[in-house]
Amino acid sequence: GAVVSQHPSRVICKSGTSVKIECRSLDFQATTMFWYRQFPKQSLMLMATSNEGSKATYEQGVEKDKFLINHASLTLSTLTVTSAHPEDSSFYICSARERGQRGGRQETQYFGPGTRLLVL
Amino acid sequence: AQKVTQAQTEISVVEKEDVTLDCVYETRDTTYYLFWYKQPPSGELVFLIRRNSFDEQNEISGRYSWNFQKSTSSFNFTITASQVVDSAVYFCALRFYNQGGKLIFGQGTELSVKP
Repeated sequence: GAVVSQHPSRVICKSGTSVKIECRSLDFQATTMFWYRQFPKQSLMLMATSNEGSKATYEQGVEKDKFLINHASLTLSTLTVTSAHPEDSSFYICSARERGQRGGRQETQYFGPGTRLLVL
Repeated sequence: AQKVTQAQTEISVVEKEDVTLDCVYETRDTTYYLFWYKQPPSGELVFLIRRNSFDEQNEISGRYSWNFQKSTSSFNFTITASQVVDSAVYFCALRFYNQGGKLIFGQGTELSVKP
């Protein structure tokens, strides 16, 4: 159980285009989903937290107009990188936290397989 | 300060050796969770363990064991009889009980197990 998928796994796009990445919880309902960015040989950097049906909360320094997050249902969140530039090339990973009672599986974040974005 | 430190950036061992990955955390909160995740070369983070701050019992799962010491704010991870498939980056993370689930990650330890 607790499987999170991401699509696409890899994307190459031209500078100036927008890219949408989907994150789905396959076998559970996720009240909260998180989006991270990871550069090579570095740790994960939290970009934003999204709760179903409400606006995402962005971390300091993350441009909300650049990285649009939508969490329209309890199983799907999307990240759109708008007008992508080469410096946006990175590994983007989502995670999901299950809806449930305190103390159970709900306390753990389960991660998707990640999306490698290359902007030319 | 709320922080997770994994002082070992890279560790290299030969297969069948035991290896311990260190994790030290800083927090003023009394209630929190600690995690270990494994990130193999494919990139996906695999959940290994969650530990509550009020449960200091050590845990063993097959070749993996975890030692949680609140007195030294450490949550170390030991792999016994390491295997090549254990090669990965391992992350220790901290989450506070009432902060919406936000994880604070350490910098990660890259473990290389050579045959």
